[in-house]
Amino acid sequence: DAGITQSPRHKVTETGTPVTLRCHQTENHRYMYWYRQDPGHGLRLIHYSYGVKDTDKGEVSDGYSVSRSKTEDFLLTLESATSSQTSVYFCAIAAGVEKNIQYFGAGTRLSVL
Amino acid sequence: DQQVKQNSPSLSVQEGRISILNCDYTNSMFDYFLWYKKYPAEGPTFLISISSIKDKNEDGRFTVFLNKSAKHLSLHIVPSQPGDSAVYFCAASVNNFNKFYFGSGTKLNVKP
Repeated sequence: DAGITQSPRHKVTETGTPVTLRCHQTENHRYMYWYRQDPGHGLRLIHYSYGVKDTDKGEVSDGYSVSRSKTEDFLLTLESATSSQTSVYFCAIAAGVEKNIQYFGAGTRLSVL
Repeated sequence: DQQVKQNSPSLSVQEGRISILNCDYTNSMFDYFLWYKKYPAEGPTFLISISSIKDKNEDGRFTVFLNKSAKHLSLHIVPSQPGDSAVYFCAASVNNFNKFYFGSGTKLNVKP
């Protein structure tokens, strides 16, 4: 257990509304990631962070923004949710001697109606 | 374009037999490879990894093989147990960049 908490665990929202998902970690890890998991696609990187206020885009970043104002929290925001953003979202941290192993939170299941 | 591919969406194996899960990659810069196991309604959990300087890594019932020339890795589970039934993802990274690329997963069903 890498001390990762995702909230909320489940959310149903309507198209066009803003949504923020939170990832909280308790072990001071520098690298944090947001993925989405969809059938047939596996895990796809949305955004990642390599320190406070340091973030970068992943392969499916359109429609998403992130913020990291303190080490322990990494927020993922859908500015105007669309049905294509219905997915399961996972947060991860990188740990290990060379920061080359990722550990994941339990996920947030988001439905956009 | 997917850089890590798992071409078998599912695999069914009898308890006690060997399970072999396969993964192919296209980026020759990848130098670290991982396998994750995922149960429904849970996050993926790290299983085993291998560096590109090795061709085999073993941990209990799990062994990962890496064939760099073929850009192929495989996960062997021996003997398979019903509790191994899960979705398995392979992942790859270029170590210096701390970005990870995942395959689409293979759902393993181990029948009692």
